[in-house]
Amino acid sequence: DTGVSQNPRHKITKRGQNVTFRCDPISEHNRLYWYRQTLGQGPEFLTYFQNEAQLEKSRLLSDRFSAERPKGSFSTLEIQRTEQGDSAMYLCASSLEFGKRNTIYFGEGSWLTVV
Amino acid sequence: QKEVEQDPGPLSVPEGAIVSLNCTYSNSAFQYFMWYRQYSRKGPELLMYTYSSGNKEDGRFTAQVDKSSKYISLFIRDSQPSDSATYLCAMTGTNAGKSTFGDGTTLTVKP
Repeated sequence: DTGVSQNPRHKITKRGQNVTFRCDPISEHNRLYWYRQTLGQGPEFLTYFQNEAQLEKSRLLSDRFSAERPKGSFSTLEIQRTEQGDSAMYLCASSLEFGKRNTIYFGEGSWLTVV
Repeated sequence: QKEVEQDPGPLSVPEGAIVSLNCTYSNSAFQYFMWYRQYSRKGPELLMYTYSSGNKEDGRFTAQVDKSSKYISLFIRDSQPSDSATYLCAMTGTNAGKSTFGDGTTLTVKP
């Protein structure tokens, strides 16, 4: 499977705990994006990387959220001190910078439930 | 007001019908327009991708962009039960960074 891979697919955590999601993009893609989606809403942009550089971060992203892409390959999204409002599907996507422009390919998502 | 507004639906049509899905937007900087299909509890899947005003056809799908009216549409001909899903419009500027999505229209095609 050469698509975008996300792990874990499902996570249930208690409020106040930290969680980390991992994303492995399509191998030749140099851009990697994180989005969040709640029921009945479209995906909401969180942040994106070009290689290892984090180029844009949403103002909606609080200090409890951090994303890294240390070697320009896989990425992690960490949520510290989780709150019930963080319950959502976290989507990772990747694209080529100079390919079919803005054609991004999504993974299957990581579902987070904060209880 | 959101930058991208999408007809919320839900939409229910008989098999074989022509379906029209629509979005409006307010940001003139948007240059690239996409339609994604999303099945329940799955990630979005790219269906159509267009740049600038005009029509683009791919099989039973036609994407239409009218930048002067800030209005985009997706038409599905000869709709099939397998087309039942949520359809998301998305758009992005020339910077090719983030995409801004509509909230989706849920379509059900009845056999």
